[in-house]
Amino acid sequence: DVKVTQSSRYLVKRTGEKVFLECVQDMDHENMFWYRQDPGLGLRLIYFSYDVKMKEKGDIPEGYSVSREKKERFSLILESASTNQTSMYLCASSLSWAHEQFFGPGTRLTVL
Amino acid sequence: RKEVEQDPGPFNVPEGATVAFNCTYSNSASQSFFWYRQDCRKEPKLLMSVYSSGNEDGRFTAQLNRASQYISLLIRDSKLSDSATYLCVVNMLTGGGNKLTFGTGTQLKVEL
Repeated sequence: DVKVTQSSRYLVKRTGEKVFLECVQDMDHENMFWYRQDPGLGLRLIYFSYDVKMKEKGDIPEGYSVSREKKERFSLILESASTNQTSMYLCASSLSWAHEQFFGPGTRLTVL
Repeated sequence: RKEVEQDPGPFNVPEGATVAFNCTYSNSASQSFFWYRQDCRKEPKLLMSVYSSGNEDGRFTAQLNRASQYISLLIRDSKLSDSATYLCVVNMLTGGGNKLTFGTGTQLKVEL
């Protein structure tokens, strides 16, 4: 079974803090993705990566950065957290664009 | 116009009913199509891929209509356990490469 794990299920941070969200997959997938999900807006792509050290902006990259130093790990970084970044963050991986994405359990981030 | 549009629902149906969801997409260059299921406070999981010829998996049937740019999901003999949000996902080929776009989801509630 493909497994995608995320470092935290729930996280509470203060405005201005630097936040790291970690994601690890165990199926040697090329593609990894970070989404945020908000009520009424659905899943929106923040960043994705199709190879180690490669990254591409998604639809809403502002305020975020990513790092992929190893194939299995994709990190999302909030350099200076703001209240409008309170959301559910979902990581996913896939073998290719034509294949299904496997999601991690999500991290519910609250920025106070 | 949204790239992928779904009726948000909720669809409230009695157990045993047949229910159908539609999803429209705007990009005619779209290449692959999926239905995901998301339970409350859980991550999305693939329900089925959608093929040009249509495909069936037990009580679930997916259809693709490229001419009208929509995909559909039919659920027969609804069970209480089918209650969830169903996400339509479209892989589009854009100038920047592939892009997976999620609809905002259709909520289904199956009742006794």
